[in-house]
Formats: sequence, C-alpha cells, structure tokens
Amino acid sequence: DAGVTQSPTHLIKTRGQQVTLRCSPKSGHDTVSWYQQALGQGPQFIFQYYEEEERQRGNFPDRFSGHQFPNYSSELNVNALLLGDSALYLCASSWNRAYEQYFGPGTRLTVT
Amino acid sequence: GIQVEQSPPDLILQEGANSTLRCNFSDSVNNLQWFHQNPWGQLINLFYIPSGTKQNGRLSATTVATERYSLLYISSSQTTDSGVYFCAVRMNYGGATNKLIFGTGTLLAVQP
Repeated sequence: DAGVTQSPTHLIKTRGQQVTLRCSPKSGHDTVSWYQQALGQGPQFIFQYYEEEERQRGNFPDRFSGHQFPNYSSELNVNALLLGDSALYLCASSWNRAYEQYFGPGTRLTVT
Repeated sequence: GIQVEQSPPDLILQEGANSTLRCNFSDSVNNLQWFHQNPWGQLINLFYIPSGTKQNGRLSATTVATERYSLLYISSSQTTDSGVYFCAVRMNYGGATNKLIFGTGTLLAVQP
C-alpha cells in the first residue's frame, strides 16, 4: 500500500519566481491538505482540497494556490516567491475530510 | 485561536530510560494525533487518539479530552526514538473540517 508521495524532494528557486509542488495521496484517500513548516517550528495549515475544491484555508496570502485532480492528487503553487517562503512543504491525505491524516516526506524549498 | 502547548520543550535521555511527553490544548477538540518527526523531516503517525488510552509496542498514549490534555509515554527508549514529537489537534467546528493545529513540539535526544 503506497503512502503519500511528494515531488520534488528538494527545490531551489530565486525570489520572484513561481514554483509547483506535487502530491499523491495514500491509496483510498480523497482529501489532501498542505502545510508549511519553517525551520524550528511546527507545521502550519495552508489549505485543504476535497472533491477538487478548496474547502478550507489557513492564514496564507493569495500567492499560494492549489488544485486537486480527479485522481485526488494535488498541486501547490506559489507565485512571486519571497525569501520567507523557504520551508518544508508537507502534504497530508485523509478520507472524507475527516479522520486520521497521513503525511508525505515533504518538499524542501529554498528561495535565494 | 486554540493554543496547543507541549512540554518539556527539550529532553535528553540515556538509552533504556522512560519518558512522558505532555500536550495541553486550550479548547475542545474533535481529534488528536501524535507524530514523530525524524531528522529527515518525515512525520510518522504514532497515535490517533481523541480520547482514552492506546498502546503500540514501547509507546502508549492517553487523552483526557474533558481536561484538555494528552500524554505520550515512551518506555525503554532507543536512539532511533530521537527527533521531534508533535501533538496536533482538530478543532470542534460545526462544519466538516480537517485542519490540524500543531503543538510547539518536544525535541528528544536519546544517547547511547
């Protein structure tokens, strides 16, 4: 049973650029949530996708956007990158917007 | 918003020792999860425990939702137990929500 997968593992971008991160949920899950974890802190909720719609959003600017595909996989897009966007981006999946969440290995984004 | 605090913030143990990690939350919650974040950033599910007591090998957890705390017990610690331990709660909103709010974390170092 495949767990949550994310790509790429690492990414280096320049200020002002745009980035797309990808996530495939655990088999049987239909809900994907994205979190940002800055160094030395706990993960912070960005948004959640269910039935291809954004269902809930955390305190993040509109530069952060996402998408969910019919196969339940998801993308996180960040525009106009800032140095402060450097972080570990974690994807989590669950079933029916509730219950236990399982996390992927993360994508480490560095903005220079 | 809800506050989720963990104690102690740091803990150093000798291999074989036992420990108790605590998670306090300031409002009623639907669910609570415990995670172990390894040095590579992977969040590993330990327990999904909205209430009661669960055990898994050398680990056990207890959540007393009415008193707004949860405890994680680690017995006979091993060096592979090192890392950061997070508790995360899901709020008791009226609608469906799966946003996890993470605690401040406990950094555990187990020395041989």
